[in-house]
Amino acid sequence: EVQLVESGGGLVQPGGSLRLSCAASGFTVSSNYMSWVRQAPGKGLEWVSVIYAGGDTYYTDSVKGRFTISRDNSKNTLYLQMNSLRAEDTAVYYCASGIVVSALKYWGQGTLVTVSS
Amino acid sequence: SSELTQDPTVSVALGQTVRITCQGDSLRNYYANWYQQKLGQAPILVMYGRNNRPSGIPDRFSGSSSGNTASLTITGAQAEDEADYYCNSRDSSGNHWVFGGGTKLTVL
Repeated sequence: EVQLVESGGGLVQPGGSLRLSCAASGFTVSSNYMSWVRQAPGKGLEWVSVIYAGGDTYYTDSVKGRFTISRDNSKNTLYLQMNSLRAEDTAVYYCASGIVVSALKYWGQGTLVTVSS
Repeated sequence: SSELTQDPTVSVALGQTVRITCQGDSLRNYYANWYQQKLGQAPILVMYGRNNRPSGIPDRFSGSSSGNTASLTITGAQAEDEADYYCNSRDSSGNHWVFGGGTKLTVL
């Protein structure tokens, strides 16, 4: 059974940093694409970033230059380093993956990031 | 364009058929995927690609696509189908992904 478990969320001041983690079991992070999707309170889903098996990474425009997606193959874990956080980054962050590109079959339970002073 | 457009709300009578649509230029080149999300829960993939249902998804869910519009059809809607539904796909560049704004389905 595939399981994705996020951690690392919390309250951070504007301009601060957080690193989210997503521990995977039941499949290999390095062999699949892995993505981060966020959902602001009461809002819809927003794609944030993806890392492909080959290592290529892509970001939505609003986080480019501030967020970095990476993975640790030895720990089978996905990360999202978030710097220069803004109030508008407040959201539940989900890590997600699948077999068919962009079809996200596996989701974590989400971790809440709150950016506020 | 990197946007996918969905109707914000749709309603259907119990047992009837409902179609939820998703429009965007990128859908001329890429298939849409569909997710169901209930309050406080992570999304669930209910349809992907041309018309593929993940295991465990009832066969009352089906998908189709024409031009710049993708559709998710629920034939014989059940009370448990009441949820928010999101489409997603790649954008026109193929490298970025995008979600539609979501459709809140009410089963009357």
